[in-house]
Amino acid sequence: AQKVTQAQTEISVVEKEDVTLDCVYETRDTTYYLFWYKQPPSGELVFLIRRNSFDEQNEISGRYSWNFQKSTSSFNFTITASQVVDSAVYFCALSEVNTGGFKTIFGAGTRLFVKA
Amino acid sequence: NAGVTQTPKFQVLKTGQSMTLQCAQDMNHEYMSWYRQDPGMGLRLIHYSVGAGITDQGEVPNGYNVSRSTTEDFPLRLLSAAPSQTSVYFCASSLEREGPLNEQFFGPGTRLTVL
Repeated sequence: AQKVTQAQTEISVVEKEDVTLDCVYETRDTTYYLFWYKQPPSGELVFLIRRNSFDEQNEISGRYSWNFQKSTSSFNFTITASQVVDSAVYFCALSEVNTGGFKTIFGAGTRLFVKA
Repeated sequence: NAGVTQTPKFQVLKTGQSMTLQCAQDMNHEYMSWYRQDPGMGLRLIHYSVGAGITDQGEVPNGYNVSRSTTEDFPLRLLSAAPSQTSVYFCASSLEREGPLNEQFFGPGTRLTVL
């Protein structure tokens, strides 16, 4: 069965620190997609990145980077030089795809506080 | 494009009342879904639809009904509201139902309180 674990419930850092948010997933499928979404205090959900199960390349986008390791079933998210605007809840999610569509399972989220 | 819209933004119901949460998207997306968000539990899938006329259950479907008569609209009906349904409800849509373009675009949410 699908499962996504975000073991860190809350993280607090000081501005300019680097921070890594952990995500561990479980799936029996060979084809799946992993996502990170951001939920700022305003409440909306914002898509950050998608990674498919066949692409283990790490990705960097500005201050954000993602490390996907199938061997450990992890898809960790690092923010470099954190800023106050990064304060949000971050969700990791897993989609398994079949001919009837897909179902997405979300982790419980990690609340990040970045203090000035 | 307005993206994904949800109405109402806030709603208070009494136990046993019924209501419909509205969701619409103007991006011609095939896939639409409903989630509820409760503290410490992330988002849980209630129902989803891969196209007009096709719906299926997610993780927590009990107490909710959906229908998809058009591509644009995907209403969620609470048949007889219970306090356990107090939550924030998000509607989402995705361009593809199977392929790689399946990141979801979320509406602003509806905060529902059942007394």
